[in-house]
Amino acid sequence: DAGVIQSPRHEVTEMGQEVTLRCKPISGHDYLFWYRQTMMRGLELLIYFNNNVPIDDSGMPEDRFSAKMPNASFSTLKIQPSEPRDSAVYFCASSFGLAGVPGDEQFFGPGTRLTVL
Amino acid sequence: DQQVKQNSPSLSVQEGRISILNCDYTNSMFDYFLWYKKYPAEGPTFLISISSIKDKNEDGRFTVFLNKSAKHLSLHIVPSQPGDSAVYFCAASGTYKYIFGTGTRLKVLA
Repeated sequence: DAGVIQSPRHEVTEMGQEVTLRCKPISGHDYLFWYRQTMMRGLELLIYFNNNVPIDDSGMPEDRFSAKMPNASFSTLKIQPSEPRDSAVYFCASSFGLAGVPGDEQFFGPGTRLTVL
Repeated sequence: DQQVKQNSPSLSVQEGRISILNCDYTNSMFDYFLWYKKYPAEGPTFLISISSIKDKNEDGRFTVFLNKSAKHLSLHIVPSQPGDSAVYFCAASGTYKYIFGTGTRLKVLA
């Protein structure tokens, strides 16, 4: 398996523009997670899906952020409109199960480095 | 409020010596703990974990220690190798999600 795939790897955009980040999870994983990494807060969970259904989006910072998972092999994280404070590295991760037991460890993609000017 | 804290942003260790990375947590409901390792331009990769019913778990050169009374865990790497140079994140879980720390950058000097 190729692992979790994310695109693009780098995105530079101007404030106010729409940004769409993409993720392909590992085949067979039932859970998909979107994280944001910043220096101050480390890795923050934004939202997670179970079998393509959003379960908890309490980490999504604002209404400008939205995520979808139309099928088991694809998810998007959209920011509209983008702002400079959204600049961060965004990771997608997938797993067989939820956290808490061996075997449910999350596998991360390489991340998308977003810069909003 | 950070529930999982890694108070040392960076650490340098000589090759062959022991590296000790520390992590503190505040929520006594956490019952599963993990360490992830991250190289530049890559995503974090799972390294080792420990359940709250144990106080030690070992995997090769990596050992994680858990002190529940102090709400503290540590990762020991012995002996340290240059390839261990990376950012290490600790994470804790009590319900359905991991709470990650801010990471410690380890540099192993040859």
